[in-house]
Amino acid sequence: AQTVTQSQPEMSVQEAETVTLSCTYDTSENNYYLFWYKQPPSRQMILVIRQEAYKQQNATENRFSVNFQKAAKSFSLKISDSQLGDTAMYFCAFLDFSGNTPLVFGKGTRLSVIA
Amino acid sequence: KAGVTQTPRYLIKTRGQQVTLSCSPISGHRSVSWYQQTPGQGLQFLFEYFSETQRNKGNFPGRFSGRQFSNSRSEMNVSTLELGDSALYLCASSLVDSIRPLAQYFGPGTRLLVL
Repeated sequence: AQTVTQSQPEMSVQEAETVTLSCTYDTSENNYYLFWYKQPPSRQMILVIRQEAYKQQNATENRFSVNFQKAAKSFSLKISDSQLGDTAMYFCAFLDFSGNTPLVFGKGTRLSVIA
Repeated sequence: KAGVTQTPRYLIKTRGQQVTLSCSPISGHRSVSWYQQTPGQGLQFLFEYFSETQRNKGNFPGRFSGRQFSNSRSEMNVSTLELGDSALYLCASSLVDSIRPLAQYFGPGTRLLVL
């Protein structure tokens, strides 16, 4: 069974600084997706960024980028120029290509952006 | 495109009652998944429906059930409510590429309080 581990329960960062959230996963699959979701205090879960495992190029979405290390089974999220609106819980998630298993989430990292 | 909608947003029930939650996916999305989120257990997968058929099921008792209609709208039902069922229930929809699901988009959730 796949597992996703987020080793940082809480982090904080100063506004305009850069922060990196860690995520590791365990799987025997070769084809899969990885996701980062953001859940602000409003509770709406928002897709931040996705990465297909067969793509070597790291995904980027504006201020959000990932460092995907397939061999190390690591998938970290970098937030550049942090903004107060980035304050949220961040969940790393894994989905294999088979469609036979559901999305697997990590426990989350609570990020606070400080003015 | 309208996002995933969930109704009701908030619900208060008493032990022993039953409840039905509704989810309308993004137009064109045929896969709907349900999750339970609690502070202690995090995000736990309940079930996934695709084309009116349950494709995956999480580790929840039979009191938790669901269904999907021909228009892809989904409902989940919890019978004989227990205090521990108090949670945020999230619905997510996704496109499906052949058999594999793609990124999931979440609704705002239904917050259920069982007294």
